[in-house]
Amino acid sequence: AQSVTQLGSHVSVSEGALVLLRCNYSSSVPPYLFWYVQYPNQGLQLLLKYTSAATLVKGINGFEAEFKKSETSFHLTKPSAHMSDAAEYFCAVRAIGTSYGKLTFGQGTILTVHP
Amino acid sequence: DADVTQTPRNRITKTGKRIMLECSQTKGHDRMYWYRQDPGLGLRLIYYSFDVKDINKGEISDGYSVSRQAQAKFSLSLESAIPNQTALYFCATSEQPQETQYFGPGTRLLVL
Repeated sequence: AQSVTQLGSHVSVSEGALVLLRCNYSSSVPPYLFWYVQYPNQGLQLLLKYTSAATLVKGINGFEAEFKKSETSFHLTKPSAHMSDAAEYFCAVRAIGTSYGKLTFGQGTILTVHP
Repeated sequence: DADVTQTPRNRITKTGKRIMLECSQTKGHDRMYWYRQDPGLGLRLIYYSFDVKDINKGEISDGYSVSRQAQAKFSLSLESAIPNQTALYFCATSEQPQETQYFGPGTRLLVL
């Protein structure tokens, strides 16, 4: 079984401030982990993914995430928020070795960026 | 051109009507998925297909059916629409082994 919890359904930051979106997962086997972003009226776009290589993963638009097995976390960060980062962000987990590529998604976190 | 397309983008229908949502992809992927998105619930899997001859139920398949007409096409049907099927529906594709999923732009469905 696998599950994802995103802490905080809404996060608000000022432009230029640090962005931190939290994701904790549960998986009975080693996981693949993903962050997707959804801009208004658009589909989901892959930001970055962890696939058991380097634990610090860099993605598009200056985002990165660190896989911490001991904490079962995969938090998303960006050093300096930009207005264009305003969107909804989804963390997802997939258990390695399962017979199909089922992703389990978190509930989503809406990021608001203030001028 | 978009790799994963969905039609229609918006649809309003009435309770009891049958409707079909269509998905096409040019990525050449074998695996395709249908999800629905509801506020505060994330995305939930309705059906998925590994290839043309392989269809599987997801976690919320009741009230829905699918058809995989070709590798590139995967349709979702609501046989008799009801208001709680009002949602945003996404199609996605993936390929082995890492299974990164690529999403279409979504279909916003309103059932009155």
